Amino acid sequence: DAKTTQPPSMDCAEGRAANLPCNHSTISGNEYVYWYRQIHSQGPQYIIHGLKNNETNEMASLIITEDRKSSTLILPHATLRDTAVYYCIVRVEGAQKLVFGQGTRLTINP
Amino acid sequence: GAVVSQHPSRVICKSGTSVKIECRSLDFQATTMFWYRQFPKQSLMLMATSNEGSKATYEQGVEKDKFLINHASLTLSTLTVTSAHPEDSSFYICSASNSRFDTGELFFGEGSRLTVL
Repeated sequence: DAKTTQPPSMDCAEGRAANLPCNHSTISGNEYVYWYRQIHSQGPQYIIHGLKNNETNEMASLIITEDRKSSTLILPHATLRDTAVYYCIVRVEGAQKLVFGQGTRLTINP
Repeated sequence: GAVVSQHPSRVICKSGTSVKIECRSLDFQATTMFWYRQFPKQSLMLMATSNEGSKATYEQGVEKDKFLINHASLTLSTLTVTSAHPEDSSFYICSASNSRFDTGELFFGEGSRLTVL
């Protein structure tokens, strides 16, 4: 699976949009981009995934660049409960396992 | 969404004893389950992939005789840490998918924190 690069940490003010970047410059055509988050001492929680089109659900939006070499997860109105480690993962189609990188530790400040 | 449950959530044991952790898919049949380990301030590390009715596939560097995985039914996988030592203290997390998982989400349990004294 392609490697991803994320900033180790970010801060965001409560109520503002949190934009989390991810670089995946070696992504191949059949690899999807997944985002998970992990709140302290809990199991990871699925957020969103996409292939090449932008995606939106009740939790977040995923913006994938046209060349697919990077993406941004957007939490539109961050709350204190969004403080977590966010993982960007690329996964080969048909392969089931997820390989986690180091993620971004997002802190939402009041 | 689908629910994956782990038990126990916390366990403390003496060095040299064995500990079993259960992972259950509560509302779907999990053809494949994954076991991860996470040390403090580190990311999740995949240990093994277990398919129902067959032997688990271990990642490089993970001792299969120390971390016994059994996936005897479509809703239950167990991880047994044999002859546990303090360095095995960690947060163990399972995840599960069903046969329809190709581009969808993978469901994770709440994790089990093992402390070996």
